[in-house]
Amino acid sequence: AQKITQTQPGMFVQEKEAVTLDCTYDTSDPSYGLFWYKQPSSGEMIFLIYQGSYDQQNATEGRYSLNFQKARKSANLVISASQLGDSAMYFCAMRGLYFSGGYNKLIFGAGTRLAVHP
Amino acid sequence: GAVVSQHPSRVICKSGTSVKIECRSLDFQATTMFWYRQFPKQSLMLMATSNEGSKATYEQGVEKDKFLINHASLTLSTLTVTSAHPEDSSFYICSATPLAGLAVLEQFFGPGTRLTVL
Repeated sequence: AQKITQTQPGMFVQEKEAVTLDCTYDTSDPSYGLFWYKQPSSGEMIFLIYQGSYDQQNATEGRYSLNFQKARKSANLVISASQLGDSAMYFCAMRGLYFSGGYNKLIFGAGTRLAVHP
Repeated sequence: GAVVSQHPSRVICKSGTSVKIECRSLDFQATTMFWYRQFPKQSLMLMATSNEGSKATYEQGVEKDKFLINHASLTLSTLTVTSAHPEDSSFYICSATPLAGLAVLEQFFGPGTRLTVL
C-alpha cells in the first residue's frame, strides 16, 4: 500500500525567506512519481513540481525545488524567496508508474498550510 | 497547460434532491477521470476512477448507488450525488489524464464544485 505523510500541519515563513515543506512516503512500487500541488483558498489544485523515482537529479521549477532522498523516502519541497502569494495549502502526492492495466491513482498527504508574513 | 472545467462551481440544494456535477477536459481527450472529495481543512480523498465507456471503480467505503459516475465520452464525466444529505456537503474535485501526447505526467484538476446540502 502507498502512504504519504506530511507532518507539518502549518508553517510560517517571512517574506523573501526560503521554506522547506516535509513529505515522506512509503510504497512497494518499483517505479513511482512524486508530486507537489498548491491549493489556494479558491480551492483549485495547482501543479508545482514532479520527481520520478528514477530521476538522478532533483527537480526544479523556478522558485520550487524538490529535495528527493530516495533512501530516506522523502521528497521535501523547498520554496525559495517566499512571496505573500505563496500562502496556501500544499499537498504532496504519489502515484505508481508501473503498468497495472489501468491508470494508477494519485494518493495525497494531509497537507501543510503555509503562511507567508510580510 | 491542459484545462479541465467543472460545472457548477457552487450548488446549494435541499436534502433529498439529486445533484449532477460535470467535469470536462476542454483541450484534450481524457482516458481516465478521477473524482475526489475534500472536507474543510482536510486532504483530497479519492472517491472513484472512471474510464470512458466502462464502469467506474469506487474506493472502499464510497457508496456506488449514492455517487453515480458516468464517463460517456473522452471529454466528459459526470458525478451525480443522489438523495443528497447534509453530510454530503463537501468540495468535489475532478481530475483527468490525457490519452497521449502531453509529456507531463500529472493529472489536470478541475476548479472544484462546492456542494451545500441544506
